[in-house]
Amino acid sequence: GENVGLHLPTLSVQEGDNSIINCAYSNSASDYFIWYKQESGKGPQFIIDIRSNMDKRQGQRVTVLLNKTVKHLSLQIAATQPGDSAVYFCAESPGAQKLVFGQGTRLTINP
Amino acid sequence: GAVVSQHPSRVICKSGTSVKIECRSLDFQATTMFWYRQFPKQSLMLMATSNEGSKATYEQGVEKDKFLINHASLTLSTLTVTSAHPEDSSFYICSARVRGGEKLFFGSGTQLSVL
Repeated sequence: GENVGLHLPTLSVQEGDNSIINCAYSNSASDYFIWYKQESGKGPQFIIDIRSNMDKRQGQRVTVLLNKTVKHLSLQIAATQPGDSAVYFCAESPGAQKLVFGQGTRLTINP
Repeated sequence: GAVVSQHPSRVICKSGTSVKIECRSLDFQATTMFWYRQFPKQSLMLMATSNEGSKATYEQGVEKDKFLINHASLTLSTLTVTSAHPEDSSFYICSARVRGGEKLFFGSGTQLSVL
């Protein structure tokens, strides 16, 4: 079935360090993946996406890596800032219209 | 960028009443809108997919008679929680897909509290 999960529910990093948030998915038919950031009491905010024909995509301070062999997705945030504190969700689209969300990882930044 | 407006942001109601939540795409046409609910410290769970001009498709376990969805235009979808009960208290979030696109843009969510 469709299952998108995260390895770690919480992640604490020092300000200025790089953050790596991981995600495992189980539907090999998924061809589109997205990372979202959600702050408390708000809707998800799009960060970056990647299609299954790619294994890496970079944005501003963020990089998404996709390993289809092991069905693994990661989000790397460079030079983590206090404003990066939030819950991060990966989501997959198994070819259909809908988007399936993972459990989420809470990222906290230590000063 | 694409903006999705969701209203109200917070609502408190008595048990047994109905609550309507609106989701509008402000600067684009959304042929498909999605409704999610999110309990504290949990992920977003898809409730239903709403296509303009047709009946919504509900996910397994979601009561269509309790969660009425209307998508009457390309910019507006509404979710009505009928005869709300305390267990319906949750954060409801809508999202919209640009016509012909893949990205989903999310509203800011509605916190429903049923007393």
